[in-house]
Order: sequence, then C-alpha cells, then structure tokens
Amino acid sequence: AQTVTQSQPEMSVQEAETVTLSCTYDTSENNYYLFWYKQPPSRQMILVIRQEAYKQQNATENRFSVNFQKAAKSFSLKISDSQLGDTAMYFCAFMKHLRGKLIFGQGTTLQVKP
Amino acid sequence: NAGVMQNPRHLVRRRGQEARLRCSPMKGHSHVYWYRQLPEEGLKFMVYLQKENIIDESGMPKERFSAEFPKEGPSILRIQQVVRGDSAAYFCASSPPITELNTEAFFGQGTRLTVV
Repeated sequence: AQTVTQSQPEMSVQEAETVTLSCTYDTSENNYYLFWYKQPPSRQMILVIRQEAYKQQNATENRFSVNFQKAAKSFSLKISDSQLGDTAMYFCAFMKHLRGKLIFGQGTTLQVKP
Repeated sequence: NAGVMQNPRHLVRRRGQEARLRCSPMKGHSHVYWYRQLPEEGLKFMVYLQKENIIDESGMPKERFSAEFPKEGPSILRIQQVVRGDSAAYFCASSPPITELNTEAFFGQGTRLTVV
C-alpha cells in the first residue's frame, strides 16, 4: 500500500522569504503522480502543483516549485517570495497511474508572517 | 462553469440519525470521489464512483456508509445511524476520465458533519 508522510506539522516564514515543505512517500509503483494541494481557512482544496513520476524535470508554477527525488521517494515544495495569502495547510498527495484516487499526507500548516 | 457543489455546508445530526451529503460534480465530469477529513488530519479516501458504478470503495467503512452516483442527479454519501466518531468534514471531488494529460480532480468546499 502507498503511504505519504509529511513530517513538519507546522512551519512559519517571513513574508517575501522562501520556505520548503517536505514530503516523502512509499510505493512499489514506477508510474505515478504527485501533487501539492493548498487548503486555506475556507477549507477549499486548491491544486498548487503536479509532478509526473516519469518526468525528470522538476515542475514549477510561478512562485511554487518542487524538488522531486524519485530514488529517495521525496517530493518537497518550495515557495519563493512568500505572501500572506500563502498561509494555509499544505497537503502532499500521491496518485497511482490513471487511478484517480488520491492518498494524502497529514498536512503542514504554514503561517506567513508580515 | 460552476465548480463542484456540495450541500449542505454544515449538517448537525443526533446520534442514531441518518446523514445525507450531496455532491454535484462540475459540468462534464463523470467521476466523483469522496474523502473524509478528521480535525487536524489529512483527507482520507473513501470511495470513487462513475455514473451508476462504484469503481473503488476500499476506503468505505463496512457498515452504515454507502454512496451512489446515479445517471441523473448528484452523488450522495449516506451515513446511517451516525455516531460521534462520524463528525468530520466530508469532501467531494470530480474529474473527467483520468488520462495522462488530465489528472486533476476539482474539490468542493466540503460538508462539515457534527454529530451531537
């Protein structure tokens, strides 16, 4: 069975600084997808970034980028130039190839301080 | 194009009552997923449905819980004889058929169920 682990329950960062959230996962699959979701206080789950396991290049979306280390089964999220609106809970998630079902980590609460 | 609509947003039930949670997927989406989030925890997969079919129910408790996604109308997650431990936020997500290029599921805002 697949598992996703986020070892940082809470983190904080000063506005405009950079922060990295960690995620590790366990799977015997070779083909899969990894995601980072953001959950602000409104509870709406918002997709931040996606990585395909078969791609070596790390995904980037504006201020958000990932460091995907397939052999180490590590998938960290880097947020550059942090903004107050980035304050939220962040979830790392795993999906087997074309299966639809997401397996989430426990989440990391990020506080961006002015 | 409206997003995934869940209702009600908040639901209070007494122990032993039934809870019905509704999810209307985004237009054109034929796949629905239900997740449960306990306080301060991540989302846990419950069930994956296609129109009139259950694709994967590996996360559903064996008793009291059922889900359906009829040909017409919203998907329904039904919890019979609710207990305090069922108190949680229940999220629905929808997607078109998952492909190499399309892996994103869109989430609703959740229904917060409180059992008193």
